[in-house]
Amino acid sequence: DAGITQSPRHKVTETGTPVTLRCHQTENHRYMYWYRQDPGHGLRLIHYSYGVKDTDKGEVSDGYSVSRSKTEDFLLTLESATSSQTSVYFCAISDSSGGSYNEQFFGPGTRLTVL
Amino acid sequence: GNSVTQMEGPVTLSEEAFLTINCTYTATGYPSLFWYVQYPGEGLQLLLKATKADDKGSNKGFEATYRKETTSFHLEKGSVQVSDSAVYFCALRGYNQGGKLIFGQGTELSVKP
Repeated sequence: DAGITQSPRHKVTETGTPVTLRCHQTENHRYMYWYRQDPGHGLRLIHYSYGVKDTDKGEVSDGYSVSRSKTEDFLLTLESATSSQTSVYFCAISDSSGGSYNEQFFGPGTRLTVL
Repeated sequence: GNSVTQMEGPVTLSEEAFLTINCTYTATGYPSLFWYVQYPGEGLQLLLKATKADDKGSNKGFEATYRKETTSFHLEKGSVQVSDSAVYFCALRGYNQGGKLIFGQGTELSVKP
């Protein structure tokens, strides 16, 4: 299994509080991604990173920010959590070779509940 | 923009039945196509992939063929087992899209003994 961990694995918080989720990898992969999984929507990309301090927005980035200060860690922050951000959050990593992107490996997920 | 549509679930089958999960896509250029599987309480795992038209991806008895003429990538298995019970996601990686994946909504499969 690819070395990806997410923390915390479960979190319950209240509306308006800040929340930070952490993704940590030991594979030295260049690309990292944050997705959210909701019933009927599959997985949707929130933000992604193509290197240290290089990040970009995905499909559903409003209300989220990210940071990547070192290769192995990619942080997702909800500045002021809302109930619509209750979801399961997955981190993924990938690399490239020969000019092509390799498969994405997924972490175990973080279940976030915003009351 | 690019999108993926999967057949709705849940799909309930008896053990040893034939499985088809339909997946169609909309994309410009030449996307790569994937099937991921998610077992209960776990993250997603790549099941199979195809990177160009007419390619057939296969793994663990599952197969899918990249059909550009019908923009489809249907997942099939000849004889399902109880252990195949999971949620299956079809996904595409668009050409020149920075490695990002676009997922279908997922199809839950339940296999009964």
